[in-house]
Amino acid sequence: DTAVSQTPKYLVTQMGNDKSIKCEQNLGHDTMYWYKQDSKKFLKIMFSYNNKELIINETVPNRFSPKSPDKAHLNLHINSLELGDSAVYFCASSPRQSSYNSPLHFGNGTRLTVT
Amino acid sequence: LAKTTQPISMDSYEGQEVNITCSHNNIATNDYITWYQQFPSQGPRFIIQGYKTKVTNEVASLFIPADRKSSTLSLPRVSLSDTAVYYCLAMPSGYSTLTFGKGTMLLVSP
Repeated sequence: DTAVSQTPKYLVTQMGNDKSIKCEQNLGHDTMYWYKQDSKKFLKIMFSYNNKELIINETVPNRFSPKSPDKAHLNLHINSLELGDSAVYFCASSPRQSSYNSPLHFGNGTRLTVT
Repeated sequence: LAKTTQPISMDSYEGQEVNITCSHNNIATNDYITWYQQFPSQGPRFIIQGYKTKVTNEVASLFIPADRKSSTLSLPRVSLSDTAVYYCLAMPSGYSTLTFGKGTMLLVSP
């Protein structure tokens, strides 16, 4: 059974469009995250939610809006897509906020290509 | 947050032991050394975490000297399937929200 699943796996779209990526975890974790991995392979935190509440919002353009309807789901909506948004987006979850004995569990990523 | 430095790439052959060293000179007292593994087209996977001395699990061993300024991930008898990127992080005990560096690309050949 997939622990952290995100859809779609691939997303190709044109500049200016609005798109969403969905994420679900069946691990019963309290905390969920969105990470962005760019072409240089750096994996950067974007957002973190704990029990549906936003706790971390790194310097991400406000075109990116996360939504957590419940603690098992964290979706990412992106408005007015730009070329620089092309990257692989990873959803992750952890049992709680603390890193000690609370490792991150990642999904397999969504490769977004903006043309 | 403590910066970590690790080799960009390493090559090995099947059956060999691989040691990947990570430097973290500015590690804080409450930081834990954590390693993740990422296969192509997959998200990173937690391998091992430690604070000091030695930690061993079914996947790897982690050696951390007393001064904690470096650590070594040891993979015994690697196989082709161990080809992946390995990330070293110094994670504060309070949060899991960190940026992963470029990691070490390990290539295991027959």
